[in-house]
Amino acid sequence: DTEVTQTPKHLVMGMTNKKSLKCEQHMGHRAMYWYKQKAKKPPELMFVYSYEKLSINESVPSRFSPECPNSSLLNLHLHALQPEDSALYLCASSQDPPYRGFSSTDTQYFGPGTRLTVL
Amino acid sequence: DAKTTQPPSMDCAEGRAANLPCNHSTISGNEYVYWYRQIHSQGPQYIIHGLKNNETNEMASLIITEDRKSSTLILPHATLRDTAVYYCIVREQTGANNLFFGTGTRLTVIP
Repeated sequence: DTEVTQTPKHLVMGMTNKKSLKCEQHMGHRAMYWYKQKAKKPPELMFVYSYEKLSINESVPSRFSPECPNSSLLNLHLHALQPEDSALYLCASSQDPPYRGFSSTDTQYFGPGTRLTVL
Repeated sequence: DAKTTQPPSMDCAEGRAANLPCNHSTISGNEYVYWYRQIHSQGPQYIIHGLKNNETNEMASLIITEDRKSSTLILPHATLRDTAVYYCIVREQTGANNLFFGTGTRLTVIP
């Protein structure tokens, strides 16, 4: 099973709402990622979790709050978003997290994404 | 990360080979070349990766020049389902495992 699942598929929210995006994988991967993709642009990294701990935050505004409750699950909590936050949010996982001084060349598997619209 | 340069778009006739070029002239010795593709409204899909040698799998072939400054992804018999944006990525040597996507090539397979 090489599947990463994301829910919901689509989400529409107001600027005062609180919502969460969910990502799940059952491949035993120990690294999980959130990417943001605006229309007609490439994906951009937001967060990396390694062994359930946040290892990279690419200067993402605090209105995005990631959470990794266990090795299979990754959440992205959303609060007080702006219309410009509307985008496709992609989750990915890979087997081996990076270690200091070493790169991991393993493959990242992506989910189908959640298309978020902020009104 | 080394920068990659790809043509913004290409067309290919169905059933013919699609050859997608990528320049990565500043690649370091231990950096890998990865290819992903993204079909419209889906998540990116891993295709293939390589370091120095040419690689082949069930999806595609990857040809890396001897000086490693460029590479070509080959889809041997393109189908309409291969229409997608193809990203050539050079992987960071150390530190993070994240992927830095460039602008990619939009491949359109024409019937």
